[in-house]
Amino acid sequence: DSGVTQTPKHLITATGQRVTLRCSPRSGDLSVYWYQQSLDQGLQFLIQYYNGEERAKGNILERFSAQQFPDLHSELNLSSLELGDSALYFCASSVAGSQSTDTQYFGPGTRLTVL
Amino acid sequence: GQSLEQPSEVTAVEGAIVQINCTYQTSGFYGLSWYQQHDGGAPTFLSYNALDGLEETGRFSSFLSRSDSYGYLLLQELQMKDSASYFCALPTGNTPLVFGKGTRLSVIA
Repeated sequence: DSGVTQTPKHLITATGQRVTLRCSPRSGDLSVYWYQQSLDQGLQFLIQYYNGEERAKGNILERFSAQQFPDLHSELNLSSLELGDSALYFCASSVAGSQSTDTQYFGPGTRLTVL
Repeated sequence: GQSLEQPSEVTAVEGAIVQINCTYQTSGFYGLSWYQQHDGGAPTFLSYNALDGLEETGRFSSFLSRSDSYGYLLLQELQMKDSASYFCALPTGNTPLVFGKGTRLSVIA
């Protein structure tokens, strides 16, 4: 158990819908990262928040957005869902925002299925 | 940009040693990390190399050669529970981690 929690574990929805994925980082960690993992694309970095502020952005679609709240939990919002958005979404956390030395601890993931 | 290449699949016998290679291209180097992921599970951190040489952690070791842009993960005394996907990853200046596509290790009896 990494100490990172994610809800829900599974989500099934229809195309065009909007969903919210939630992540609580390990106690004391200030950074939260979101990743998407699909069979053909591997693990893709989406976005990082550090202490409530956006720190880095990866290949995140405009239909996707995220935020980190004062209690440091984070939410990833996915809208106008398409079949291709079906994937595992992981949240990870680390103590600080440094990219070179921080170990990232991953949550169990949310499996999103878009029908 | 950054890119990593690793074999897609490796099969090894229980009790043996296996090496998973990773070559990378990056404009700014911060180190090479390795993660393990069991089917349906979350990636878990295994090791991080910032300097050349071998880092050993129990049955797992990781090696880095910055001049060759190359690293490997060495797993000794293989156990069935080591069957998983192994990812090398690059911390970068723009995005925290760029992952390779992963190597699926199958340990057979």
